[in-house]
Amino acid sequence: DAGVTQSPTHLIKTRGQQVTLRCSPKSGHDTVSWYQQALGQGPQFIFQYYEEEERQRGNFPDRFSGHQFPNYSSELNVNALLLGDSALYLCASSLRSRGRTGNTIYFGEGSWLTVV
Amino acid sequence: AQSVSQHNHHVILSEAASLELGCNYSYGGTVNLFWYVQYPGQHLQLLLKYFSGDPLVKGIKGFEAEFIKSKFSFNLRKPSVQWSDTAEYFCAVRGMDSNYQLIWGAGTKLIIKP
Repeated sequence: DAGVTQSPTHLIKTRGQQVTLRCSPKSGHDTVSWYQQALGQGPQFIFQYYEEEERQRGNFPDRFSGHQFPNYSSELNVNALLLGDSALYLCASSLRSRGRTGNTIYFGEGSWLTVV
Repeated sequence: AQSVSQHNHHVILSEAASLELGCNYSYGGTVNLFWYVQYPGQHLQLLLKYFSGDPLVKGIKGFEAEFIKSKFSFNLRKPSVQWSDTAEYFCAVRGMDSNYQLIWGAGTKLIIKP
């Protein structure tokens, strides 16, 4: 059991639609990061949320947005879906400690998004 | 910019063979290094990590990795693989100024023939 839960596990959307993916971090963790993993590739960092704010962002367009709630859970929203957005979307949680980065990151099982 | 290179995309071995998967990174500063494994249909799991100290790190399931700073490498090893080691293996690096953003290699698909 990874401790990080994501929903839904699989979904199919049509080009132009919007999608929302959800993540609950591991108990005790306060930081959530989202990654996109296309077939045959390693995960690519989308953004990270801490204290309900986006703290870092990777090289993804504004169609990708997110939110973190007071209970540390998070949503990833993608607007105007493109075929190329088809991928596994991974949520990772960690505990942010001031002045230290040596914390392990735990991953959820991911949400498989297929855009047709 | 940080980057991670995994040398082999696919590796096929027989059971009991020895394994070494290469990982090189580019980053000038202090790093945290990770190997993750993804079994078919399952989530990413941490195999081992290096933060500081002894550069030879032992992980779960008999895996180990050695951090060679001069070579910017963090190769994964196992002396004798099993069929159950069939999975995809990812090397990831986090620069100490990157606030938890992991940079990932493209992964190596390992197939163990029974």
